Amino acid sequence: QSVLTQPPSGSGTPGQRVTISCSGSSSNIGSNAVNWYQQLPGTAPKLLIYSNNQRPSGVPDRFSGSKSGTSASLAISGLQSEDEADYYCAAWDDSLKGWVFGGGTKVTVL
Amino acid sequence: EVQLVEAGGGLVQPGGSLRLSCAASGFTFSSYSMNWVRQAPGKGLEWVSYISSGSSTIYYADSVKGRFTISRDNAKNSLYLQMNSLRAEDTAMYYCARGGTGSGWSAFDYWGQGTLVTVSS
Repeated sequence: QSVLTQPPSGSGTPGQRVTISCSGSSSNIGSNAVNWYQQLPGTAPKLLIYSNNQRPSGVPDRFSGSKSGTSASLAISGLQSEDEADYYCAAWDDSLKGWVFGGGTKVTVL
Repeated sequence: EVQLVEAGGGLVQPGGSLRLSCAASGFTFSSYSMNWVRQAPGKGLEWVSYISSGSSTIYYADSVKGRFTISRDNAKNSLYLQMNSLRAEDTAMYYCARGGTGSGWSAFDYWGQGTLVTVSS
């Protein structure tokens, strides 16, 4: 059971917008920044969004992040076939004194 | 180009030990905090341990506390994870991941390709 809660799956057709939620608590998302990672099949995770809504260089602007209170979300607009991957949210937890991850959301492009 | 290359994984019996290493290049290793993150087969990501740039601050996940030890050698640009009293549930791909410089909790902006640890008799 993960400390951060994500839906296990999501899907959309090419061009659609998909949103992934990430729910936490006051000790993690409520007081620290949220980061999002993308893991393509058979590869290592890759940083997708940091500090709630910042994109690293090279990440398409189709990906956006937001945070409100103890929840965060990742949006993928203009869904493409190469976006089919697992997506994880993460945040530092002040109570646990460690990083916590969501259980991951598998996005399927129909 | 930033590179992180893990090594040291393999098959070990329950109760055994293993030492993982992560060789870093392409950046000033001594300026960055580092982490180990693992992923059991078919499962999600689990943070394992954190070490600050100068090794003064170290944290562990409860699941490995007392059994695993993180360390680093800034002169050798290397990160380590000593794993003792291994259990079947420690079976996973182990990734090293770069944190940030300075204070605060920075995202893991670079990851290695991982090294597989299998604990089985």
